[in-house]
Amino acid sequence: GDSVTQMEGPVTLSEEAFLTINCTYTATGYPSLFWYVQYPGEGLQLLLKATKADDKGSNKGFEATYRKETTSFHLEKGSVQVSDSAVYFCALSGDSSYKLIFGSGTRLLVRP
Amino acid sequence: DVKVTQSSRYLVKRTGEKVFLECVQDMDHENMFWYRQDPGLGLRLIYFSYDVKMKEKGDIPEGYSVSREKKERFSLILESASTNQTSMYLCASSSYSTGLNTEAFFGQGTRLTVV
Repeated sequence: GDSVTQMEGPVTLSEEAFLTINCTYTATGYPSLFWYVQYPGEGLQLLLKATKADDKGSNKGFEATYRKETTSFHLEKGSVQVSDSAVYFCALSGDSSYKLIFGSGTRLLVRP
Repeated sequence: DVKVTQSSRYLVKRTGEKVFLECVQDMDHENMFWYRQDPGLGLRLIYFSYDVKMKEKGDIPEGYSVSREKKERFSLILESASTNQTSMYLCASSSYSTGLNTEAFFGQGTRLTVV
């Protein structure tokens, strides 16, 4: 079945460091890919998405490119801030499915 | 502003109690979902509904049931709560567009503790 694998956390960075959180997926067909963010004590919010190969999703300085050849959707940010500390979830939605399938989440801690 | 609202942020219930978690969305979405979130396991789908009175089991339906009598409301029921159901429960909704799945919108979560 469809699945998402993302890197183990926590990831600890200093402010203004470069961020990469790896995400790879297994799916048939052409899924849509998403990154969600969960701030402490809150539900999940959509951060960015991509719906076809080579699409780049971007929001709030975060970017991710849908790479079908490597089945990856890595999240990047050039300069993280303390306010980016949160848990990040990679997810996919199959092209014939109602539901989202999530990775296990990666906790990011940014120190001043 | 789109909204998915869960009835409680925190709940404490006793073992064996029947527990109702309520979720309401104001976006006229067809699809609604219940997930539970546990450390190291990410989000796991319990049940989802793609229309009024329609439901399908997710990955971990055991010990749970659901009800969707109106389009905007989706209830999760723990028939007899047990301590291993202590968790964060997240409700979500999404619209359905043929050939292109849209993103889901989440409620703020209900942290349930069963003692």
